[in-house]
Amino acid sequence: EAQVTQNPRYLITVTGKKLTVTCSQNMNHEYMSWYRQDPGLGLRQIYYSMNVEVTDKGDVPEGYKVSRKEKRNFPLILESPSPNQTSLYFCASRLGGDNQPQHFGDGTRLSIL
Amino acid sequence: GDSVTQMEGPVTLSEEAFLTINCTYTATGYPSLFWYVQYPGEGLQLLLKATKADDKGSNKGFEATYRKETTSFHLEKGSVQVSDSAVYFCALNDGGSYIPTFGRGTSLIVHP
Repeated sequence: EAQVTQNPRYLITVTGKKLTVTCSQNMNHEYMSWYRQDPGLGLRQIYYSMNVEVTDKGDVPEGYKVSRKEKRNFPLILESPSPNQTSLYFCASRLGGDNQPQHFGDGTRLSIL
Repeated sequence: GDSVTQMEGPVTLSEEAFLTINCTYTATGYPSLFWYVQYPGEGLQLLLKATKADDKGSNKGFEATYRKETTSFHLEKGSVQVSDSAVYFCALNDGGSYIPTFGRGTSLIVHP
């Protein structure tokens, strides 16, 4: 089944404790992205990647890191999480081309205490 | 820059009512347009798309027509069901930028 898989789905942690949210897609998509979703603010893009070893900042990159060492994986790293990073996070992937839709994972709900 | 404006919700309807969710956009290029749906506890999934002017996207009884002259892509359904309760996002991909642009989402609540 074609899918984008995120882990964990839920995480409660404390300020400053490094964490990684994994994302994997099995559709051989070139493009991958991370978003956060907050009430009243909609979806905001954190980082995106156009291919292996090619990443760039989205609208809200501060406090996050990413890497793209393999085409299928695009982990999101919070080196020193803070409470304002409490949010619902989505990973997405798509083929190149403007007419291609995004395929989203089911989301990761992070709570930073 | 590009932008997508959706009507604010929540939109509350009775079952079998007619639905319209308005979406207008601004773009520097000639974008492709999308509607995504997010059911509770899930990620967004593609509902329908249109890639050129006057194209009509349709799926699951929902329709939207790409109107270049009014820069709009309104979502419609003739008879909603309780199972349509979800958040709906209008979005565009513009050739000038990889970063897709999303509207803020419109919550739809359908009562029996």
